[in-house]
Amino acid sequence: DAGVTQSPTHLIKTRGQQVTLRCSPKSGHDTVSWYQQALGQGPQFIFQYYEEEERQRGNFPDRFSGHQFPNYSSELNVNALLLGDSALYLCASSLVGTGMSGPSPLHFGNGTRLTVT
Amino acid sequence: KQEVTQIPAALSVPEGENLVLNCSFTDSAIYNLQWFRQDPGKGLTSLLLIQSSQREQTSGRLNASLDKSSGRSTLYIAASQPGDSATYLCAAPASGTYKYIFGTGTRLKVLA
Repeated sequence: DAGVTQSPTHLIKTRGQQVTLRCSPKSGHDTVSWYQQALGQGPQFIFQYYEEEERQRGNFPDRFSGHQFPNYSSELNVNALLLGDSALYLCASSLVGTGMSGPSPLHFGNGTRLTVT
Repeated sequence: KQEVTQIPAALSVPEGENLVLNCSFTDSAIYNLQWFRQDPGKGLTSLLLIQSSQREQTSGRLNASLDKSSGRSTLYIAASQPGDSATYLCAAPASGTYKYIFGTGTRLKVLA
């Protein structure tokens, strides 16, 4: 049973460039969330996708955008990269939660380490 | 607004010691709370999930408790081993949302 897979593992980009990160959810999961983790910090919620739409967004600028495909896989795009975007980007998959039961447990991939120079 | 705090930030113990990691959250109206382990440069591995209706969950040498009224959860590790060395993070949902709020973690080092 494949878990959450992310690609690439590492990425080095220059300020101002654009980057796309990819995620395949755990088998049977239909919801994908993206988190940014700076060094020494806990992960920060970027957004969540369900049914190919952005379901909720955290406090991140519009430079961060995403997409979910019919097979539930997802992409995170970051435009006009800044030095401060250097971080570990984590994808988490889950089953859809509802307002009554709250968010479902998260299963994480190994992340993509993005370095912006 | 949900805020999650973990104390201590770092902990170093000799092998074989039992230890407790603490997690505090401000909004007690949570549906569940998750504990994760993170090895350096890696993703998060789920350790234990406690539903709001539960008080404890156990997996092997790990035991997590949840006290919603006091806004606290603890992760108990029995008979610690060098392989337990990692950062341990707790995460609680933010009320009325689908996102989890994470603490900054406790960095554990178990000395052989």
